[in-house]
Amino acid sequence: NAGVTQTPKFQVLKTGQSMTLQCAQDMNHNSMYWYRQDPGMGLRLIYYSASEGTTDKGEVPNGYNVSRLNKREFSLRLESAAPSQTSVYFCASVLDRANSPLHFGNGTRLTVT
Amino acid sequence: GDSVTQMEGPVTLSEEAFLTINCTYTATGYPSLFWYVQYPGEGLQLLLKATKADDKGSNKGFEATYRKETTSFHLEKGSVQVSDSAVYFCALIKREGADGLTFGKGTHLIIQP
Repeated sequence: NAGVTQTPKFQVLKTGQSMTLQCAQDMNHNSMYWYRQDPGMGLRLIYYSASEGTTDKGEVPNGYNVSRLNKREFSLRLESAAPSQTSVYFCASVLDRANSPLHFGNGTRLTVT
Repeated sequence: GDSVTQMEGPVTLSEEAFLTINCTYTATGYPSLFWYVQYPGEGLQLLLKATKADDKGSNKGFEATYRKETTSFHLEKGSVQVSDSAVYFCALIKREGADGLTFGKGTHLIIQP
């Protein structure tokens, strides 16, 4: 089982460049999430999608946009990358958000120079 | 808002030592509580969970009890192994919310042979 698949695994951007991080899950989960992980900060929620066709801001949405393309896919876009967006990005999904565990992808390590 | 506080590391122990990683939370209502583990280069994996007061979650020799009176969910293991070296995250989710998990900052555990 693939679970949650993120691409790419690594990316280096220059300040001002744009890119889209891809995430897909094959578990028929309803809710999907994007987190960023920074040293000493834990994981912080960027955006989430409670169901297909809906998206909402999390704790740190500035500088990002998202698209819930269909039930499987949830992409994160950086329109104009900044060094402060250097981080490891994790996508996650869950079937029933109240009690079920989140399933995480293996992350995308992004460096912005 | 909701928050999770856990002891910061790194925590260094010898193999077969007893482990406690403290976790306390602040939340309205009755959250579900989780411990996740992250091995190097990987995403987070659910280690154990508890969904109501006095529940004990357990997995792979790890245990944690949901203590509502002290708002705590401390992680314990009687005899750690080198393979337990990882980063451990305490997290909560509200039953009624769609905005994902609230994470602690993570505790880096190092087990020496």
